[in-house]
Amino acid sequence: EADIYQTPRYLVIGTGKKITLECSQTMGHDKMYWYQQDPGMELHLIHYSYGVNSTEKGDLSSESTVSRIRTEHFPLTLESARPSHTSQYLCASSESGHLNTEAFFGQGTRLTVV
Amino acid sequence: AQKVTQAQTEISVVEKEDVTLDCVYETRDTTYYLFWYKQPPSGELVFLIRRNSFDEQNEISGRYSWNFQKSTSSFNFTITASQVVDSAVYFCALRRYNFNKFYFGSGTKLNVKP
Repeated sequence: EADIYQTPRYLVIGTGKKITLECSQTMGHDKMYWYQQDPGMELHLIHYSYGVNSTEKGDLSSESTVSRIRTEHFPLTLESARPSHTSQYLCASSESGHLNTEAFFGQGTRLTVV
Repeated sequence: AQKVTQAQTEISVVEKEDVTLDCVYETRDTTYYLFWYKQPPSGELVFLIRRNSFDEQNEISGRYSWNFQKSTSSFNFTITASQVVDSAVYFCALRRYNFNKFYFGSGTKLNVKP
């Protein structure tokens, strides 16, 4: 069973607000990812991290930012939320080293910006 | 470039029918990894299987089976005697050896009706 947690599960927020989506894993994984997914649609990688103090932008441009100060924690921040940010955000992690293992996903945060 | 194609957008079957979900991938790498994930309505992605490119042995796990064929770059997933609980979106993914990114297909929504 994967030990990766996202909070909140659901968030409805007004336009212009600053929000932070939390993601934590207890597996000691170096690699972490943020995906954006519209309901029933494909996943788009928006950020990833190789380890502490290492972050990279993904394939889909996003106005969000991330930080990786601790191995277990990979929060995503939107400075000023807009309705176009309404989506589901999925956090994932995977092992480092030579073993190319699967990614483990959190339960996601469904964000609605009104 | 890496690409994963799931041509079936949505499939509907009646309970107890067998169903096959198709996955075709593109990569020039000789070593890579393939995955299947299940996304139930609750939103999280659940890991189902990982397959290494050098292991073409098919795998069966209960009602699930996977057919990996390098010659056709396909990694198809069959559910035998489908059940209503199998209703979900299924994603196929590819990961290059020693690279961090996962390349996901667009998903196939499976509806199993009683």
